[in-house]
Amino acid sequence: AQKITQTQPGMFVQEKEAVTLDCTYDTSDPSYGLFWYKQPSSGEMIFLIYQGSYDQQNATEGRYSLNFQKARKSANLVISASQLGDSAMYFCAMREEVSGGSYIPTFGRGTSLIVHP
Amino acid sequence: ETGVTQTPRHLVMGMTNKKSLKCEQHLGHNAMYWYKQSAKKPLELMFVYSLEERVENNSVPSRFSPECPNSSHLFLHLHTLQPEDSALYLCASSQDLGLLRGTEAFFGQGTRLTVV
Repeated sequence: AQKITQTQPGMFVQEKEAVTLDCTYDTSDPSYGLFWYKQPSSGEMIFLIYQGSYDQQNATEGRYSLNFQKARKSANLVISASQLGDSAMYFCAMREEVSGGSYIPTFGRGTSLIVHP
Repeated sequence: ETGVTQTPRHLVMGMTNKKSLKCEQHLGHNAMYWYKQSAKKPLELMFVYSLEERVENNSVPSRFSPECPNSSHLFLHLHTLQPEDSALYLCASSQDLGLLRGTEAFFGQGTRLTVV
C-alpha cells in the first residue's frame, strides 16, 4: 500500500503567486518525520523542509512552509511568491521506523510544478 | 553542490557488461542509500548502509550488488542487467538513521543508466 500519496501529477502557477502541493501519508507509528524535496531537471534531489510528528508548530523555511494537519495525515507544501526557478518535481517523503531505531524515508510519486511568467 | 558526488553521470551498457556506480560523500555522514528512479514510478529504495553495514535490502535482484568499503564511499556493482533496469540511480547520505531534524538525506545528481 502506498504510504505517501501525492495526488497532483502536475501543477501550474503564475510567477509571484502562492501554490500548495498536496501530500497525505499513512502510518501507525506515533513517531515519524515528513520531508519535502525538490528535483530540478538536473536530477539532484534538494532537501526543502522537515516536520516532526511531535512538532507543535508548522515548519517554515524561507518561502516554504509545511501545512501539517496530523489528524488528517496531511503535510502539504506551500510555496509563497513563486519564482521561475521553482519549476521542478516536488517529492514528499516520510521517515518511519523500520527496525531497531532505524528510520528510513519513503517517497511519494511526486508533483511536477511549472511556474509561468 | 550538496557534498554527495556520483560518477559517472551517464552510463550506457550492454546486458552482458559489468560496470560499477560510485558515490562519495565527505559530509561525515554515517548512513548511505541507493535509490532507483524510473519514469512514472515512485522513488524506490534499494539499499541502506549504516556505519558500513547493510541495514536494508528491498528485495533487489542479485544483479545489483552494493559495496560500502568505508563511511565515505558507496558502490553499486552491476552485471547482466536488463533493459528495464534503465533508470536514474540516486545515491544519498544522512547523518544517521534517526528521526530528528538534521537527519534529512542529501542526494547526489544521479547516474543516468541505459541498458541496451
